[in-house]
Amino acid sequence: QSALTQPPSASGSPGQSVTISCTGSSSDVGGYNYVSWYQHHPGKAPKLMIYEVTKRPSGVPDRFSGSKSGNTASLTVSGLQAEDEADYYCSSYAGTKKVFGGGTKLTVL
Amino acid sequence: EVQLVESGGGLVKPGGSLRLSCAASGFTFSSFTMNWVRQAPGKGLEWVSSISTSNGYIDYADSVKGRFTISRDNAKSSLYLQMNSLRAEDTAVYYCARVVGPDFWNGYVDDWGQGTQVTVSS
Repeated sequence: QSALTQPPSASGSPGQSVTISCTGSSSDVGGYNYVSWYQHHPGKAPKLMIYEVTKRPSGVPDRFSGSKSGNTASLTVSGLQAEDEADYYCSSYAGTKKVFGGGTKLTVL
Repeated sequence: EVQLVESGGGLVKPGGSLRLSCAASGFTFSSFTMNWVRQAPGKGLEWVSSISTSNGYIDYADSVKGRFTISRDNAKSSLYLQMNSLRAEDTAVYYCARVVGPDFWNGYVDDWGQGTQVTVSS
């Protein structure tokens, strides 16, 4: 099962917005609405930030938002804060495929 | 509060075996599909295996099929991963993960353990 494609890195200054893309195919991202995003600080458990493309779990700031167009999903972080610096992974658990993206390291400058 | 605590990791020689455990608490364990997900050094997350609520459905990544066996004991709220014929490329942090969704095939991971390190090296 091929991993979803994410840019290896992204960056922005405090207060700015950053968008991270996640590209798959019609058999995963494009075909289903089970795209999720995770924030991972090294040494800690990953944390769910977005599920079912656009939904935010309780406790996740509304600065985090998700969207999808065709085979590409996106995570946007608005009003960047220092604590947002982490690795971010997208995932698609749908049909017969369970795949993650390669991860994007978000740096807050 | 949902808690998932992995154990059983360690250093093992190529060709060896290891059994990982995950102790769950804070939720009705028997009601959720459970997964193992791993992260190799410097790499991204990789789904390893899934097991449905009552062992009716089980699935494995091609990279571990035939070598790893997932199981669960709902009475003990525990998830297991028996890993045989281990290879250097199995070296990773292994995470226990709870899945939310309408069925075995569709959903998302909503909670993760802290992970347990498995190192395969001679």
